[in-house]
Amino acid sequence: DGGITQSPKYLFRKEGQNVTLSCEQNLNHDAMYWYRQDPGQGLRLIYYSQIVNDFQKGDIAEGYSVSREKKESFPLTVTSAQKNPTAFYLCASSLSGGAPGELFFGEGSRLTVL
Amino acid sequence: AQSVAQPEDQVNVAEGNPLTVKCTYSVSGNPYLFWYVQYPNRGLQFLLKYITGDNLVKGSYGFEAEFNKSQTSFHLKKPSALVSDSALYFCAVRGTGGGNKLTFGTGTQLKVEL
Repeated sequence: DGGITQSPKYLFRKEGQNVTLSCEQNLNHDAMYWYRQDPGQGLRLIYYSQIVNDFQKGDIAEGYSVSREKKESFPLTVTSAQKNPTAFYLCASSLSGGAPGELFFGEGSRLTVL
Repeated sequence: AQSVAQPEDQVNVAEGNPLTVKCTYSVSGNPYLFWYVQYPNRGLQFLLKYITGDNLVKGSYGFEAEFNKSQTSFHLKKPSALVSDSALYFCAVRGTGGGNKLTFGTGTQLKVEL
């Protein structure tokens, strides 16, 4: 079945460590997104990519990095520079361009910093 | 800049009664509007969208939403609530300027009781 796979589902990290969250899609979508979800704050956009080898900062990019070397993959690295990384991270994909298509979401990755 | 407001953190309704979850938006140009639902520790699922045309949009699981341009609102409705509708609901908006960058509201927790 087509969809978006995020891994790991749960991740624990010590302060000062970088961690990478995986996101893979087989929907043949050009665009991919990373959102962060905190209680009472909704979803906030971290990074997005409209096409391979190109990506843009979202509203809260500081302390995060991404790459888009393949159409199917959009990994997110949470660096030690991120001050408050404990959160639920959601990856999504969509058709690109002007078509107002909906986003398809993965099941999320919950990161806890110990 | 585009924004979404969901004025109610929580909505309680008895099973079998109609439900409304409120959403207002601000965006340049014509809006594209979306509703998503999230169950605990899961990703978001698409419910419905308004692009153009009829102001009443029908979506999944018996939900519908009414677009009101003069009030800049896009309230989610269902004629008869089910206990299984209990979840977190997000409204989202994007403008017509290209790309597919959605801005989400803070979410409304719907609780349907017997």
